[in-house]
Parts: sequence; structure tokens; C-alpha cells
Amino acid sequence: DAGITQSPRHKVTETGTPVTLRCHQTENHRYMYWYRQDPGHGLRLIHYSYGVKDTDKGEVSDGYSVSRSKTEDFLLTLESATSSQTSVYFCAIEGGQGGHEQFFGPGTRLTVL
Amino acid sequence: AQSVTQPDIHITVSEGASLELRCNYSYGATPYLFWYVQSPGQGLQLLLKYFSGDTLVQGIKGFEAEFKRSQSSFNLRKPSVHWSDAAEYFCAVGFSGGYNKLIFGAGTRLAVHP
Repeated sequence: DAGITQSPRHKVTETGTPVTLRCHQTENHRYMYWYRQDPGHGLRLIHYSYGVKDTDKGEVSDGYSVSRSKTEDFLLTLESATSSQTSVYFCAIEGGQGGHEQFFGPGTRLTVL
Repeated sequence: AQSVTQPDIHITVSEGASLELRCNYSYGATPYLFWYVQSPGQGLQLLLKYFSGDTLVQGIKGFEAEFKRSQSSFNLRKPSVHWSDAAEYFCAVGFSGGYNKLIFGAGTRLAVHP
């Protein structure tokens, strides 16, 4: 158990509303990631963080922003949700004995109506 | 561009039968290689990983995978499948360079018949 929690676990919202998803880790890992999972696409990286206030874009970052004001928390914000952002969102941290492994949270299922 | 291909979207096997899930990648150097499993409604669990050394790696739940550099492949195997192995399996390839980037395949959904 990598000590990763995500909140909320489920959310239904309407198009145009802002949404913030939270990822919390308890093990002081430096790298944190946000992915979205869609059928036929596997997981695709939205944004990642390599330290407090240090973030960068992944391959599908349009429409998303992130913030990391504390080591343990990594927030993903949809400023104005669209139906195309209906997905399952996973947070991950990088850890493990050899490094490079990523460990995933339980996910947040977001539905944008 | 880097890519990961899992050619089989769905696979069905009988309980007790052997299993092989295919994974091919496109990259100019040897990447880090991972297999993850996802049960319905759950997050992803790491099954096994390859960084270097012995090309046959053992993982949890009786799974193993073999890295074949000449074929750019990292296929997952299990000699005898149990009903509880029904899940979706993802191959992932990692590349160093600034941050450790993971690229995932689209996944293979495994069904197990009794």
C-alpha cells in the first residue's frame, strides 16, 4: 500500500462548472502524476509534479491545471468541465526500491453532464 | 515516437490453462518495463517490472514476463490461470529524461471460463 488516497471517489457535475480532484500521499514522495483512463486508450498523463510548486504538462493537459502547495497534496482542476472530460482519473506517486515504479491511487470517476 | 502496443483487446481462457499476454514497444533504447493489473472498479496494481539484468522476471500472483530486446517485446505469462485472474492488464514502458515518463498500452481484458 503506497498510502495514496483520492477524493472524491465519484463525482457528477455539469458542463461549465469547475471541478477539483485531490490526491493525498503519506510517504513524502517527490514525484506525483495525474492520469486519465478511457476505454481503448489505457492511461494518459495529464500533468506531473516533481516537487512543491514544481509542475509540468503531460500529453493531454489541455483544459486541466494542477497545483502542489504541499508535498503530500496534488490537486487537479478542471476550470470549466466539458463532457469530453468524463473519465476515470488516477493519481500516482513514484517510488519503490529501484525507483521508476509508479503506484496508483484508487481513482476518481468523474461524469460531466 | 515512443509507443506501446498490446495487440489483444480481449482474451478468454479456461481456468487452469496457460496464459500469454503480448506487449510490444517502440523506443530507441532499452526502457523500463512494467505490467500492471486492474480489477473492476479498482486502481492499478504493479505485477512485475524489468529494469536490467535477467530478462525473465518474476512477479506477484504467479506471473512472469520475458524481455526480448530483438523483438522489442515484454510478454506476460502465467502457467495456470485462476478465475481470480480475470481483470484488465496493462503493459507500461518507462523512459528516463527529466522525469520518469510512463506510456501505457491500451490494455488487454482477460476473461476466465470455469
